[in-house]
Amino acid sequence: DAGVIQSPRHEVTEMGQEVTLRCKPISGHNSLFWYRQTMMRGLELLIYFNNNVPIDDSGMPEDRFSAKMPNASFSTLKIQPSEPRDSAVYFCASSLATISTGGNEQFFGPGTRLTVL
Amino acid sequence: EDQVTQSPEALRLQEGESSSLNCSYTVSGLRGLFWYRQDPGKGPEFLFTLYSAGEEKEKERLKATLTKKESFLHITAPKPEDSATYLCAVQDYSGGYQKVTFGIGTKLQVIP
Repeated sequence: DAGVIQSPRHEVTEMGQEVTLRCKPISGHNSLFWYRQTMMRGLELLIYFNNNVPIDDSGMPEDRFSAKMPNASFSTLKIQPSEPRDSAVYFCASSLATISTGGNEQFFGPGTRLTVL
Repeated sequence: EDQVTQSPEALRLQEGESSSLNCSYTVSGLRGLFWYRQDPGKGPEFLFTLYSAGEEKEKERLKATLTKKESFLHITAPKPEDSATYLCAVQDYSGGYQKVTFGIGTKLQVIP
């Protein structure tokens, strides 16, 4: 398996522009997560999907951020308009969620480094 | 709200010098505690899941242990290739059962 695939790996844009980040989860996984990582705040969960349905988007910072998962093999995170404070590394992760008493480990993609000038 | 605190923030060891990383947590009901390794420029890589107090898991030079309030990642005779940031995360039973809270991490540097 190729693992979680993210694109682009690097994105440099100017303030006010729209940014779209893409993610392909591991085949067979039914949960998908978007995280943002910064030095100050570490890894923060933005939103997660289960069976393509958004379950918890309480981490989405504001209305400028939106995420979609049109099918089991693709998700996007969009920022419109982008601001310099959105500069961070954005990770996508997937897992196989089961109704069990145990935790479900997540598998992360390589991340997209976003710089907003 | 779940909280995860990791210490120290950074740790520098000589090759072969054993040590431990700490992860203190607060959750309403622990579903699982996870350890991940993150290399520069890469995504976190899963290491262990611990479910209940007293549980231990090992992988090469790493051993993770769990109590009701904290977890330790013991590193025995580390090598330079063990240099990385180690992240601790917890998952609880309340709210969305898939939600995971991460700590800031401990950046480990092993000097040859």
